[in-house]
Amino acid sequence: QQQVKQSPQSLIVQKGGISIINCAYENTAFDYFPWYQQFPGKGPALLIAIRPDVSEKKEGRFTISFNKSAKQFSLHIMDSQPGDSATYFCAASSGTNKFYFGSGTKLNVKP
Amino acid sequence: GAGVSQSPSNKVTEKGKDVELRCDPISGHTALYWYRQSLGQGLEFLIYFQGNSAPDKSGLPSDRFSAERTGGSVSTLTIQRTQQEDSAVYLCASSLGRRNTGELFFGEGSRLTVL
Repeated sequence: QQQVKQSPQSLIVQKGGISIINCAYENTAFDYFPWYQQFPGKGPALLIAIRPDVSEKKEGRFTISFNKSAKQFSLHIMDSQPGDSATYFCAASSGTNKFYFGSGTKLNVKP
Repeated sequence: GAGVSQSPSNKVTEKGKDVELRCDPISGHTALYWYRQSLGQGLEFLIYFQGNSAPDKSGLPSDRFSAERTGGSVSTLTIQRTQQEDSAVYLCASSLGRRNTGELFFGEGSRLTVL
Protein backbone atom coordinates (compact mmCIF):
# COMPACT_ATOMS: atom_id res chain seq x y z
CA GLN A 1 0.00 0.00 0.00
CA GLN A 2 1.44 3.31 -1.07
CA GLN A 3 1.66 5.60 1.95
CA VAL A 4 1.89 8.82 -0.07
CA LYS A 5 0.04 9.25 -3.37
CA GLN A 6 1.32 11.89 -5.77
CA SER A 7 -0.20 13.41 -8.90
CA PRO A 8 0.17 14.19 -11.71
CA GLN A 9 2.83 11.83 -13.00
CA SER A 10 3.96 14.47 -15.50
CA LEU A 11 3.27 18.13 -16.01
CA ILE A 12 3.97 20.59 -18.81
CA VAL A 13 3.80 24.29 -17.98
CA GLN A 14 4.65 27.36 -19.99
CA LYS A 15 7.35 29.68 -18.71
CA GLY A 16 5.84 32.10 -16.24
CA GLY A 17 2.96 29.81 -15.37
CA ILE A 18 2.09 28.13 -12.10
CA SER A 19 3.04 24.48 -11.54
CA ILE A 20 0.93 22.56 -9.04
CA ILE A 21 1.74 19.09 -7.73
CA ASN A 22 -0.52 17.31 -5.26
CA CYS A 23 0.03 14.67 -2.63
CA ALA A 24 -2.30 12.79 -0.31
CA TYR A 25 -1.65 10.57 2.68
CA GLU A 26 -3.62 8.35 5.05
CA ASN A 27 -1.46 8.02 8.14
CA THR A 28 -2.46 10.79 10.54
CA ALA A 29 0.73 10.16 12.51
CA PHE A 30 2.76 11.81 9.75
CA ASP A 31 4.09 15.11 11.03
CA TYR A 32 6.75 16.19 8.57
CA PHE A 33 6.21 16.74 4.85
CA PRO A 34 9.21 17.58 2.67
CA TRP A 35 9.47 18.08 -1.07
CA TYR A 36 12.54 16.97 -2.98
CA GLN A 37 13.74 18.09 -6.40
CA GLN A 38 15.75 15.80 -8.64
CA PHE A 39 17.61 16.75 -11.80
CA PRO A 40 18.64 14.04 -14.29
CA GLY A 41 21.68 12.12 -13.15
CA LYS A 42 21.59 13.65 -9.68
CA GLY A 43 20.22 12.58 -6.34
CA PRO A 44 17.12 14.29 -4.94
CA ALA A 45 17.71 17.45 -2.92
CA LEU A 46 15.47 19.00 -0.29
CA LEU A 47 13.48 21.90 -1.72
CA ILE A 48 11.05 22.92 1.02
CA ALA A 49 9.28 21.25 3.95
CA ILE A 50 6.31 21.84 6.23
CA ARG A 51 4.94 20.61 9.53
CA PRO A 52 1.17 20.28 10.10
CA ASP A 53 0.96 23.14 12.58
CA VAL A 54 0.92 25.60 9.67
CA SER A 55 -1.23 25.66 6.54
CA GLU A 56 1.25 27.28 4.22
CA LYS A 57 4.97 27.81 3.86
CA LYS A 58 6.59 29.95 1.23
CA GLU A 59 10.21 30.11 0.13
CA GLY A 60 10.78 32.32 -2.87
CA ARG A 61 8.70 31.03 -5.77
CA PHE A 62 7.94 27.75 -3.99
CA THR A 63 4.94 27.34 -1.68
CA ILE A 64 3.61 24.33 0.18
CA SER A 65 -0.10 24.35 1.00
CA PHE A 66 -1.19 21.92 3.69
CA ASN A 67 -4.73 20.76 4.43
CA LYS A 68 -4.65 18.65 7.57
CA SER A 69 -8.35 17.73 7.57
CA ALA A 70 -8.17 16.53 3.97
CA LYS A 71 -4.76 14.90 4.52
CA GLN A 72 -3.43 16.60 1.44
CA PHE A 73 -0.53 18.87 0.65
CA SER A 74 0.65 20.49 -2.52
CA LEU A 75 3.61 22.26 -4.04
CA HIS A 76 3.05 25.42 -6.04
CA ILE A 77 5.80 26.83 -8.20
CA MET A 78 5.03 30.42 -9.17
CA ASP A 79 6.50 32.03 -12.29
CA SER A 80 7.81 28.64 -13.42
CA GLN A 81 11.14 28.74 -15.25
CA PRO A 82 12.81 26.25 -17.62
CA GLY A 83 15.43 25.72 -14.91
CA ASP A 84 12.66 24.30 -12.70
CA SER A 85 12.30 21.36 -15.10
CA ALA A 86 13.00 18.36 -12.90
CA THR A 87 11.28 15.52 -11.09
CA TYR A 88 9.60 16.46 -7.83
CA PHE A 89 8.91 14.06 -4.97
CA CYS A 90 6.72 14.63 -1.97
CA ALA A 91 7.42 12.69 1.20
CA ALA A 92 6.12 12.15 4.70
CA SER A 93 7.50 10.89 7.99
CA SER A 94 6.08 10.26 11.43
CA GLY A 95 8.59 11.04 14.13
CA THR A 96 10.85 8.22 13.16
CA ASN A 97 13.57 8.43 10.61
CA LYS A 98 11.60 6.53 7.98
CA PHE A 99 10.47 8.58 5.01
CA TYR A 100 7.76 7.57 2.57
CA PHE A 101 8.08 9.09 -0.89
CA GLY A 102 5.48 9.73 -3.55
CA SER A 103 5.94 8.33 -7.03
CA GLY A 104 7.28 11.59 -8.45
CA THR A 105 6.15 14.23 -10.92
CA LYS A 106 8.20 15.07 -13.96
CA LEU A 107 7.86 18.79 -14.63
CA ASN A 108 8.73 20.29 -18.00
CA VAL A 109 8.64 24.07 -18.22
CA LYS A 110 8.55 25.19 -21.81
CA PRO A 111 10.34 28.42 -22.77
CA GLY B 1 33.64 17.26 -1.47
CA ALA B 2 31.60 16.94 1.69
CA GLY B 3 28.57 15.29 0.17
CA VAL B 4 27.39 11.67 0.08
CA SER B 5 29.66 9.65 -2.17
CA GLN B 6 28.56 6.49 -3.97
CA SER B 7 30.53 4.02 -6.03
CA PRO B 8 30.53 2.75 -8.62
CA SER B 9 28.49 5.34 -10.48
CA ASN B 10 27.71 2.76 -13.14
CA LYS B 11 27.82 -1.02 -13.00
CA VAL B 12 26.96 -3.45 -15.77
CA THR B 13 26.84 -7.07 -14.75
CA GLU B 14 25.60 -10.38 -16.03
CA LYS B 15 22.58 -12.12 -14.60
CA GLY B 16 23.57 -14.35 -11.71
CA LYS B 17 26.63 -12.36 -10.65
CA ASP B 18 26.96 -10.68 -7.25
CA VAL B 19 27.44 -6.92 -6.98
CA GLU B 20 28.49 -4.58 -4.18
CA LEU B 21 27.51 -0.94 -4.05
CA ARG B 22 29.24 1.41 -1.66
CA CYS B 23 28.05 4.53 0.13
CA ASP B 24 30.22 6.97 2.04
CA PRO B 25 27.91 9.30 4.02
CA ILE B 26 28.52 12.83 5.19
CA SER B 27 30.85 12.84 8.16
CA GLY B 28 28.92 12.92 11.43
CA HIS B 29 25.66 11.71 9.95
CA THR B 30 24.42 8.81 12.04
CA ALA B 31 21.47 7.80 9.86
CA LEU B 32 21.98 6.15 6.49
CA TYR B 33 19.37 5.02 3.97
CA TRP B 34 19.30 2.99 0.80
CA TYR B 35 16.59 3.63 -1.79
CA ARG B 36 16.01 2.10 -5.21
CA GLN B 37 14.75 4.12 -8.16
CA SER B 38 13.63 2.17 -11.20
CA LEU B 39 13.31 3.94 -14.54
CA GLY B 40 10.69 6.64 -14.27
CA GLN B 41 9.56 5.40 -10.88
CA GLY B 42 9.57 6.77 -7.38
CA LEU B 43 11.93 6.09 -4.53
CA GLU B 44 11.55 2.61 -3.07
CA PHE B 45 12.83 2.32 0.51
CA LEU B 46 15.23 -0.56 1.05
CA ILE B 47 16.92 -0.22 4.44
CA TYR B 48 17.75 2.31 7.14
CA PHE B 49 20.73 2.34 9.50
CA GLN B 50 21.09 4.22 12.75
CA GLY B 51 24.76 3.93 13.57
CA ASN B 52 25.77 0.40 12.72
CA SER B 53 22.43 -1.19 13.43
CA ALA B 54 19.58 -1.55 10.99
CA PRO B 55 16.32 -0.98 12.85
CA ASP B 56 14.36 -1.14 9.62
CA LYS B 57 15.24 -3.50 6.80
CA SER B 58 11.65 -4.03 5.78
CA GLY B 59 12.17 -2.76 2.26
CA LEU B 60 14.74 -5.31 1.14
CA PRO B 61 12.92 -7.07 -1.72
CA SER B 62 14.38 -10.53 -1.20
CA ASP B 63 17.04 -12.44 0.69
CA ARG B 64 19.40 -11.79 -2.23
CA PHE B 65 19.72 -8.25 -0.91
CA SER B 66 21.78 -7.43 2.17
CA ALA B 67 23.47 -4.38 3.57
CA GLU B 68 25.92 -3.59 6.29
CA ARG B 69 27.42 -0.54 7.83
CA THR B 70 30.71 -0.54 9.66
CA GLY B 71 32.20 2.02 12.03
CA GLY B 72 29.02 4.06 11.82
CA SER B 73 30.19 5.29 8.44
CA VAL B 74 30.57 3.46 5.13
CA SER B 75 27.78 1.16 4.01
CA THR B 76 27.75 -1.60 1.44
CA LEU B 77 24.66 -2.90 -0.33
CA THR B 78 25.17 -6.39 -1.73
CA ILE B 79 22.94 -8.03 -4.30
CA GLN B 80 23.57 -11.71 -4.82
CA ARG B 81 22.67 -13.66 -7.96
CA THR B 82 21.49 -10.53 -9.73
CA GLN B 83 18.36 -10.62 -11.85
CA GLN B 84 17.31 -8.33 -14.68
CA GLU B 85 14.59 -6.81 -12.49
CA ASP B 86 17.34 -5.57 -10.15
CA SER B 87 18.35 -3.03 -12.80
CA ALA B 88 17.81 0.39 -11.27
CA VAL B 89 19.56 3.35 -9.72
CA TYR B 90 20.46 2.67 -6.11
CA LEU B 91 20.50 5.86 -4.06
CA CYS B 92 22.10 6.32 -0.69
CA ALA B 93 21.19 9.15 1.68
CA SER B 94 22.40 10.24 5.07
CA SER B 95 21.08 12.53 7.76
CA LEU B 96 21.96 13.72 11.23
CA GLY B 97 19.63 11.08 12.59
CA ARG B 98 17.77 13.27 15.01
CA ARG B 99 14.14 12.37 15.30
CA ASN B 100 12.19 13.66 12.37
CA THR B 101 14.25 16.76 11.68
CA GLY B 102 14.11 16.00 8.07
CA GLU B 103 16.80 16.65 5.62
CA LEU B 104 18.13 13.66 3.75
CA PHE B 105 21.28 14.27 1.76
CA PHE B 106 21.39 12.00 -1.28
CA GLY B 107 24.31 10.78 -3.31
CA GLU B 108 24.16 10.71 -7.09
CA GLY B 109 23.39 7.01 -7.12
CA SER B 110 24.82 3.83 -8.54
CA ARG B 111 23.19 2.81 -11.81
CA LEU B 112 23.03 -0.98 -12.02
CA THR B 113 22.32 -2.73 -15.30
CA VAL B 114 21.87 -6.49 -15.27
CA LEU B 115 22.16 -8.09 -18.69
